[in-house]
Amino acid sequence: EPEVTQTPSHQVTQMGQEVILRCVPISNHLYFYWYRQILGQKVEFLVSFYNNEISEKSEIFDDQFSVERPDGSNFTLKIRSTKLEDSAMYFCASEDWGPGQPQHFGDGTRLSIL
Amino acid sequence: KQEVTQIPAALSVPEGENLVLNCSFTDSAIYNLQWFRQDPGKGLTSLLLIQSSQREQTSGRLNASLDKSSGRSTLYIAASQPGDSATYLCAVKNTGNQFYFGTGTSLTVIP
Repeated sequence: EPEVTQTPSHQVTQMGQEVILRCVPISNHLYFYWYRQILGQKVEFLVSFYNNEISEKSEIFDDQFSVERPDGSNFTLKIRSTKLEDSAMYFCASEDWGPGQPQHFGDGTRLSIL
Repeated sequence: KQEVTQIPAALSVPEGENLVLNCSFTDSAIYNLQWFRQDPGKGLTSLLLIQSSQREQTSGRLNASLDKSSGRSTLYIAASQPGDSATYLCAVKNTGNQFYFGTGTSLTVIP
């Protein structure tokens, strides 16, 4: 069964550095998402992406965050200048078009900011 | 803003028992509701999705119900097995594209 893949599985970065998290969604899916889960807390929506543009974003997704689908297969989340509080598990998800289509999640990237 | 609550936060049952996990949400204008399973250190595995026009969905030993007017969903697991041990998450999609997650119920099935 096709699946969403995320790399790397664990990223350790110094505070203030830029980080790019990568995702390969399921190939025929049209909607793409990023979520984060701080340790012990809820999974939180960050952003949704459709037709090469952001369709919705949460208040967490400020100017430090950006998303891109550079080549029709990868979907990336960039954090420009990381803060300690960006430490979390980041999940990518994709969804096919149509009602009743579930979101499929990757295994996540654990981001640790030092 | 949509708030999603799950009770209980943790549940421990002996193998073979039937059990019910609860999810409640504050805004009934939902598009769909999805139940997920999360194993430690892993992503989320979709279990069942109920559209706003549906009352329930079944897959194997799992049955999820939705009462939109009262803002509730339940996940029923029949004949529980140790392999069912995981955290179960409920997520609600409003008419936008945002998913709102509950904090989850951590289930332990004791052999």
